Formats: sequence, C-alpha cells, structure tokens
Amino acid sequence: ETGVTQTPRHLVMGMTNKKSLKCEQHLGHNAMYWYKQSAKKPLELMFVYSLEERVENNSVPSRFSPECPNSSHLFLHLHTLQPEDSALYLCASSPSASYLTGELFFGEGSRLTVL
Amino acid sequence: AQKITQTQPGMFVQEKEAVTLDCTYDTSDPSYGLFWYKQPSSGEMIFLIYQGSYDQQNATEGRYSLNFQKARKSANLVISASQLGDSAMYFCAMREGLTGANSKLTFGKGITLSVRP
Repeated sequence: ETGVTQTPRHLVMGMTNKKSLKCEQHLGHNAMYWYKQSAKKPLELMFVYSLEERVENNSVPSRFSPECPNSSHLFLHLHTLQPEDSALYLCASSPSASYLTGELFFGEGSRLTVL
Repeated sequence: AQKITQTQPGMFVQEKEAVTLDCTYDTSDPSYGLFWYKQPSSGEMIFLIYQGSYDQQNATEGRYSLNFQKARKSANLVISASQLGDSAMYFCAMREGLTGANSKLTFGKGITLSVRP
C-alpha cells in the first residue's frame, strides 16, 4: 500500500460540475503538494502546503481551490473547469517543504476528464 | 529557459542490457539536488535516486546509477541489467536552493523506456 492515497482514481465531470479530489498521506510528513501532469508537458507544481499553511500558489486559476484541514489531508476543489484542465493530478508529500535533499512521495494520481 | 531538459523521445533496450537516459539541467544556484523518478502505467511517481550538487561521488542505488557531470550540467541515469518491469516513463527533476526556503522540485518532460524481451 502506497503511503500517499488519492481518491478518486478517475473522474469525469462536466464544465458546470463541482467536484473534489482527495489526498491522504500516512507518512507523518509536514508538507503536501498538488501537481498537474498534462500529456507531453512537464509536471506543473500547483500548490504547496507546509504545516497546513499554503506556502506556494503557482498562478493557478481560481477554479482550482485547495484545502488542507490537517497535515495528513489535502483536497483540491474543482468548479467550472475547462476541457484543457483534463490531466492527471498528482498529490505528493515530503517531511518538510524546505528539505533540499528529500524526495517527494507521490500518490497514484487522479485522472480527470472534463467534458 | 527550461531548467530540466530531457530530449530523448523514447528509448528501447533489450532485457538484461544497460541503458542510459539523458538529462541536462540549468541553474545558477551552487546548491541543488537532482532526482530521478519512474512512472509506470499505474501513474504513481516512484523515487529512484538522488544526487547532491556537492556530492563528490556519483550516486548509486541498486541497478540505478547517476552519471553526474557537473561542468556539463548533466545527470544521466544508467539502468543496468534491464528488466521488463523497468518499462515506464522516467523523469529527471531538480530542486534548487538551500534549506530555509520553499525550494521547488522542477521536472523535465520525461522519457519513455521500453524493455524488449
């Protein structure tokens, strides 16, 4: 079992729907991340949370709204998305957001399709 | 300018042979870390190996080794004795800066590796 769990694994939604992606980490880490992976593009960092406080927001449109209620859980709330938002959304965690040598631990991703 | 460049479109290797996946990077920061991740079809990104900018020796981790050439700014991944399960996407990534700041992990576009039986 992976230390970072994402649900749902697959999601299809219309442009007017509201849905949420959930991420849970069982590693005792203090930092959590959302990445977007589109076809033929590098992973794009969306948000970083450190000790439940958002420390990075990479110019992400407001139709994506993150929430971190505690250090183990991270949500990405979605509303009025566009077809170009279809992608694999990866959640990751690390012991600290400022740990140069530490790797990120990723979940298996949530594959989002916007119709 | 791209910080991480992976230009190989797709790589094929015969089972049990070695393969090198290329990665070049761009940074003006003297302190940085280089990472390689594997992404199988399941989607999960799996950490493989890490190389610090001040490390004197090339990193090794089982069948994985990193050919770190600092002057050329390259950090190629070498996989020895390829296995069918090595077929996946491979991503090179870099984190810049010292601790104390929120240092980002920047990824390349990835390379597809296919291992032939």
